[in-house]
Amino acid sequence: NAGVTQTPKFQVLKTGQSMTLQCAQDMNHEYMSWYRQDPGMGLRLIHYSVGAGITDQGEVPNGYNVSRSTTEDFPLRLLSAAPSQTSVYFCASGGPGTFEKLFFGSGTQLSVL
Amino acid sequence: AQKITQTQPGMFVQEKEAVTLDCTYDTSDQSYGLFWYKQPSSGEMIFLIYQGSYDEQNATEGRYSLNFQKARKSANLVISASQLGDSAMYFCAMREGATDSWGKLQFGAGTQVVVTP
Repeated sequence: NAGVTQTPKFQVLKTGQSMTLQCAQDMNHEYMSWYRQDPGMGLRLIHYSVGAGITDQGEVPNGYNVSRSTTEDFPLRLLSAAPSQTSVYFCASGGPGTFEKLFFGSGTQLSVL
Repeated sequence: AQKITQTQPGMFVQEKEAVTLDCTYDTSDQSYGLFWYKQPSSGEMIFLIYQGSYDEQNATEGRYSLNFQKARKSANLVISASQLGDSAMYFCAMREGATDSWGKLQFGAGTQVVVTP
């Protein structure tokens, strides 16, 4: 039972590069979210999705794109990486039947130089 | 404005003692949910407990209980009989609105708990 799988676990980018953080869940959850965690702060919501084909912005969406073509996958794209995007990124999923619990992936540590 | 406030940046607690982690929240919604998550040094986010705004009884999950005081807008986590493995960062979080906001949590800054022998 894989749960929520994030790849890669670590990534170093140069300013201006683009990349995609992958997130996949095998629990048939409707809801998926991306958060970032910076030192001394809690997690902040970047984007979320309530189902395939439906996405919306969270608190800190600038510089990130998402799409949800399938229930299982919710990739996060950095279009032109900036040092301010250095952070730990978490993907989460949940939905009816999970009793309000969000299941988190193990995180991606991203450094932008 | 900060929606979730955790005023204790860090705490030391002795093994087998109880510890209370403070959390206050701010919302004008009638329907909301309050959560506590644990983040050990390994980095994963572990769900501990949930309290719905309409739940009349305080939530409990094993050694964890949530002291919900709606009028004061507080949702304190109580860990009874602390264990060394409880050393971690603890985050309080809130979901505003009904279940269509399921994936949208707002987190506090966290409280670092260190359990000593």
